[in-house]
Order: sequence, then structure tokens, then C-alpha cells
Amino acid sequence: ILNVEQSPQSLHVQEGDSTNFTCSFPSSNFYALHWYRWETAKSPEALFVMTLNGDEKKKGRISATLNTKEGYSYLYIKGSQPEDSATYLCAFIWHDKIIFGKGTRLHILP
Amino acid sequence: DAGVTQSPTHLIKTRGQQVTLRCSPISGHKSVSWYQQVLGQGPQFIFQYYEKEERGRGNFPDRFSARQFPNYSSELNVNALLLGDSALYLCASSFIAGGPQETQYFGPGTRLLVL
Repeated sequence: ILNVEQSPQSLHVQEGDSTNFTCSFPSSNFYALHWYRWETAKSPEALFVMTLNGDEKKKGRISATLNTKEGYSYLYIKGSQPEDSATYLCAFIWHDKIIFGKGTRLHILP
Repeated sequence: DAGVTQSPTHLIKTRGQQVTLRCSPISGHKSVSWYQQVLGQGPQFIFQYYEKEERGRGNFPDRFSARQFPNYSSELNVNALLLGDSALYLCASSFIAGGPQETQYFGPGTRLLVL
């Protein structure tokens, strides 16, 4: 059974602070890893598609890294803002299957 | 351009009933995928359709079925509803039945409650 783990499950961060969280996945037969941001009452929004070991992607204050050999990806948010409050999901692509983690719920405190 | 749309937004059914959920992909997208998300879990893959053909299927019983129409819209049908089918059902579209690199664009979901 393939397992995608995200940690922590929930995170409270002071506005202006930087933070990061983890997605762990099976390191064998890696195809791709996707990151999504899911705000309450909205649709999940694609952030990054990571495919190569050592990949680093950036979108504004959010960036992600990928280590396929050890099976993890980090998502970083620099200078957290209230609009960053959301659930961040990673999805591991394995053959024709897409397997989501349970997400990290990020709360930004004013 | 309109994003992925789903209908209805909310639905209440009783055990044993049947339900049909609908999804319209982004214009130009030919692939539609369906996911089930129960509280506290990540979305679980149910089906992927591309050009009206089933391209992938998750570990769901035969009570779940889907189809895709010539205009690329899709329906998800669930028969003999169980309490455990209560969930948010998400639809996602992509240009083709990618590729692991294919980005999927999600709709807002249909929340189904089975009593």
C-alpha cells in the first residue's frame, strides 16, 4: 500500500514568520509530486509540479524542494500573510494513480 | 474563462438511493477525474476519463460508475448509497490524460450527505 504522509497535520504561525512543512512519499518508482493549496470554501489550486530530484520551484513567497532519493518534499512559505491560511496538499503520482496526503492545515495568527 | 463547474453544490440522500453528480471541465480540457474526500482524509481517486474512455480507476466498488460525454462533461453515479458515501466529491479537469506532469484544475465540489 502506497502511503503519502504530510507533517505536521496542523500549524499555527504568526503573521510575518516563515514556515515549512513536509510531504513524505515512497522513494521507488517516482513519477511526479504535485502541491496544491486549498482555501476553505474554494477549489484546490495547483501550486507546483515537481519531477526531478533536486527540483526547486518558486511562486512569490512560496517555494518547494524535492528529494526523490529519500522520498520527501518541503514546502516553504516566507513572511506568512493571512491569505496563506489554507490546507496544503501534496499528491504523489505513481503509474496511473494519484495519491494525496491528508494535508497540512496552516493557520496564520494576526 | 470559466473554471471547472460542478452541480449540485450540496445534496442530501437516504441510504439505498442513487445519486448523479455532474462536472463541466475547463473549455478545451478533454480529461476529467473524480475524487472523493471524506473528513480528515486527502482526496481519493475514483475515476479518470479521457475522450469518453475510462483511463483509470481507483479502489471503489462497482456501485460507483461514471461517463464522459462528447462535450467532455462528465457524470459520476453512485448506486445503493451507504452512510459511508457521505463526502465531498471533487472533479478535476486537465488538457489531456497526462502525464505525471499534467496539472489538474479542480472544481468546488459537491457535498453529499447520506442519511
